[in-house]
Amino acid sequence: EVQLVESGGGLVQPGRSMKLSCAASGFTFSNYGMAWVRQAPTKGLEWVATISYDGSSTYYRDSVKGRFTISRDNAKSTLYLQMNSLRSEDTATYYCTREARGYYFDYWGQGVMVTVSS
Amino acid sequence: DIQMTQSPSSMSASLGDTVTINCLASQDIGNYLSWYQQKPGKSPKLMIYGATNLEDGVPSRFSGSRSGSDYSLTINSLGYDDEGIYHCHQYYEYPLTFGSGTKLEIK
Repeated sequence: EVQLVESGGGLVQPGRSMKLSCAASGFTFSNYGMAWVRQAPTKGLEWVATISYDGSSTYYRDSVKGRFTISRDNAKSTLYLQMNSLRSEDTATYYCTREARGYYFDYWGQGVMVTVSS
Repeated sequence: DIQMTQSPSSMSASLGDTVTINCLASQDIGNYLSWYQQKPGKSPKLMIYGATNLEDGVPSRFSGSRSGSDYSLTINSLGYDDEGIYHCHQYYEYPLTFGSGTKLEIK
């Protein structure tokens, strides 16, 4: 059974940093691209970043480019999102997702809440 | 960026009804369109990919279609379990984008 379990969220002050982790199991992690998708309270879904199966390619939405870094450790089957210079508009539930072969998201984690506030 | 205009934003239907949710892409995305169902407090669940392909385990009451840049999700024989928010998603190009969601309530 595919499982994606996020951790590392919480309350953080504006301008500070936070690192999210996503532990994957139930599939060969190194064969799949992975992504982070977020959802602000009562809002729609917003793609944040994608990393290729081997980590060689990464993609970001403009609003997080230069502040967020997506990475992975295939030996540990873990996906990361390093978030720096956090802003109030980054407040959201962050979902770890697996990219299916066609680059849609076939599995989602349960989500982790990140609140940016002073 | 590709805009996905989803409609309606909310709807209410009765048990056994058939409903259709629409997404209009601002440019050609081919069949690179998926649909997700999200229940309150839960993560989204993949329902349809490639505009018309049913994900494994999803009831055949769900179907997806395409007419040009217009994409539709149709749910037949509505049940209480179909209540939730439905999101469309284009994965044709970066930045990947979603529709604003349709909240479906079962009366």
